[in-house]
Amino acid sequence: SYVLAQTPSVSAAPGQTARITCGGHRIGTISVNWYQRKPGQAPVLLIYSDRNRPSGIPERFSGSNSGDTATLTISEVEAGDEADYLCQVWDTSSAHVIFGGGTKLTV
Amino acid sequence: EVQLEESGGGLVQPGGSLRLSCAASGFSFSDYAMSWVRQAPGKGLEWVAHITSSGDTTYYADSVKGRFTISRDNSQNTLHLQMNSLRAEDTAGFLCAKHRGAGAYYAMDVWGHGTTVTVSS
Repeated sequence: SYVLAQTPSVSAAPGQTARITCGGHRIGTISVNWYQRKPGQAPVLLIYSDRNRPSGIPERFSGSNSGDTATLTISEVEAGDEADYLCQVWDTSSAHVIFGGGTKLTV
Repeated sequence: EVQLEESGGGLVQPGGSLRLSCAASGFSFSDYAMSWVRQAPGKGLEWVAHITSSGDTTYYADSVKGRFTISRDNSQNTLHLQMNSLRAEDTAGFLCAKHRGAGAYYAMDVWGHGTTVTVSS
């Protein structure tokens, strides 16, 4: 079934911009969702359908998707952004929900 | 407040069974698809099973197909996961999640905190 590839870890200094990528074959043709997960907490939906933010998610979080790469961009990174970030798609061919392996952001 | 609360986890021997439940509140449960997702120790999130809002269509991960059954009771706002023939590799925290719409295409916008399943002799 469809595979999503994420870099295991990314680091950014406070105030910088962090970019977290999610690779997949022609991922630009399907809808990508992004989640944040902190230890001991429930996952939080950050971005749905490539670039849409649910209410309550700061504008610092943005998404894009083209070609073989979807990207989550976190602007003006804060210490509180330190977490695991996961991408997710619905693979219609296998009828499976697919998660990427996750990227740990260190601030 | 929109909430999901899982229950039913515990310690079970290999080959045993367990039934998880997820109680939903604060939203119109019957309008939304639901999924179970798990996280094994030291691993990432793994989708387990999905059920559409009406309950007429279900999907399963290959690793659980034929052993797990997802179901829902829209009159009781409850989601279930019947797990049979449990294996050590099923040991994980199991979370239920609400989708933003009636089917699996939609993102999961509400999550429970999870219930722990440990399969060991």
